[in-house]
Amino acid sequence: NAGVTQTPKFRILKIGQSMTLQCTQDMNHNYMYWYRQDPGMGLKLIYYSVGAGITDKGEVPNGYNVSRSTTEDFPLRLELAAPSQTSVYFCASRHVQRSSYNEQFFGPGTRLTVL
Amino acid sequence: LAKTTQPISMDSYEGQEVNITCSHNNIATNDYITWYQQFPSQGPRFIIQGYKTKVTNEVASLFIPADRKSSTLSLPRVSLSDTAVYYCLVGYNTDKLIFGTGTRLQVFP
Repeated sequence: NAGVTQTPKFRILKIGQSMTLQCTQDMNHNYMYWYRQDPGMGLKLIYYSVGAGITDKGEVPNGYNVSRSTTEDFPLRLELAAPSQTSVYFCASRHVQRSSYNEQFFGPGTRLTVL
Repeated sequence: LAKTTQPISMDSYEGQEVNITCSHNNIATNDYITWYQQFPSQGPRFIIQGYKTKVTNEVASLFIPADRKSSTLSLPRVSLSDTAVYYCLVGYNTDKLIFGTGTRLQVFP
């Protein structure tokens, strides 16, 4: 299994541009998450999904959109990039069952700079 | 979601035992306690999880007192490679998992 993969690894955007950060997992996990991490800070939850077709806001959803059309993919969309969105973005997935508590698996991250 | 409080940073030397305590005064009955480790430029990695008493695996031990209002991650005989940020999370199985600021551990030779 490849686990959680993210593309691209690095990206530089100009203010006002748009882009989609890709995230794919091959572990058949039902829950998927997007976090951002600013330099020297902890992770902030942007959006999460509990299954295909279901998404919900996290702590810092403004300026982002997500979709979950399949179990495997959970893309994050930035519509009008702003310098405040300069950060490292991590995607994660987890298999949630009522009978057990399972760990969260993270991707390698996408480093985004908005100039 | 239960709010957690951890020290911002800790220093240690190689070979010492490190204990990082997390406070979670309003933990709910169904909440689990989970710890993650994050190295620079990488995503967090699961270390250990527990509900009550003591849990031990090949990496660490987790001590949870009877009232569950705090927990202690214990790293035996740390090495330079244990330098990382450690996050304590508290929540139920289906929660959305909110990370705090974590504890930055620096291990010196």
